[in-house]
Amino acid sequence: EAQVTQNPRYLITVTGKKLTVTCSQNMNHEYMSWYRQDPGLGLRQIYYSMNVEVTDKGDVPEGYKVSRKEKRNFPLILESPSPNQTSLYFCASSFNHRPGNIQYFGAGTRLSVL
Amino acid sequence: EDQVTQSPEALRLQEGESSSLNCSYTVSGLRGLFWYRQDPGKGPEFLFTLYSAGEEKEKERLKATLTKKESFLHITAPKPEDSATYLCAVQGNRDDKIIFGKGTRLHILP
Repeated sequence: EAQVTQNPRYLITVTGKKLTVTCSQNMNHEYMSWYRQDPGLGLRQIYYSMNVEVTDKGDVPEGYKVSRKEKRNFPLILESPSPNQTSLYFCASSFNHRPGNIQYFGAGTRLSVL
Repeated sequence: EDQVTQSPEALRLQEGESSSLNCSYTVSGLRGLFWYRQDPGKGPEFLFTLYSAGEEKEKERLKATLTKKESFLHITAPKPEDSATYLCAVQGNRDDKIIFGKGTRLHILP
């Protein structure tokens, strides 16, 4: 079954404690993205990756890092989380960056930073 | 700057009452406009991609249309199971970012 898997689904942490949210896809997709979704602001793209070792900033990259060492994995790293990073996070993937490709989303990670 | 504005923010309809959701956009060279459905607590689910003005796509009770400035998602004779948030997004030719609107929350009353 085609899947984008995020872990954990829920996370409560404290300010400054480094954390990683994992994302894995089993569809051999080239393009992967991270989004955050906040009430009243909608979905905003944090980072995206066109392929292995190729990453680029989205609209709200400050405070986040990503890496793409393998095609299937695209972890999101918060080196020093702050309360304003409390949000619902989604990972997504598509075959490549061309618009004709369907973007598949994970189930989401709800993060609370105290 | 690329931008997507969706209206209305929320819409309540009676079952069977047809209506349209609007997505206005400004983008440097549209490569694709996307519609997604999002149910509470879940990730968005792809519905349609439109590429050029005049294009239309249909799926069950939903029909998406595109002009040079906006897209409409028409819902015909909706059922309660069509209740969800509908998201519009664009991708321009400036880069490979995808810009989403804030969504329209649709509630269909039985």
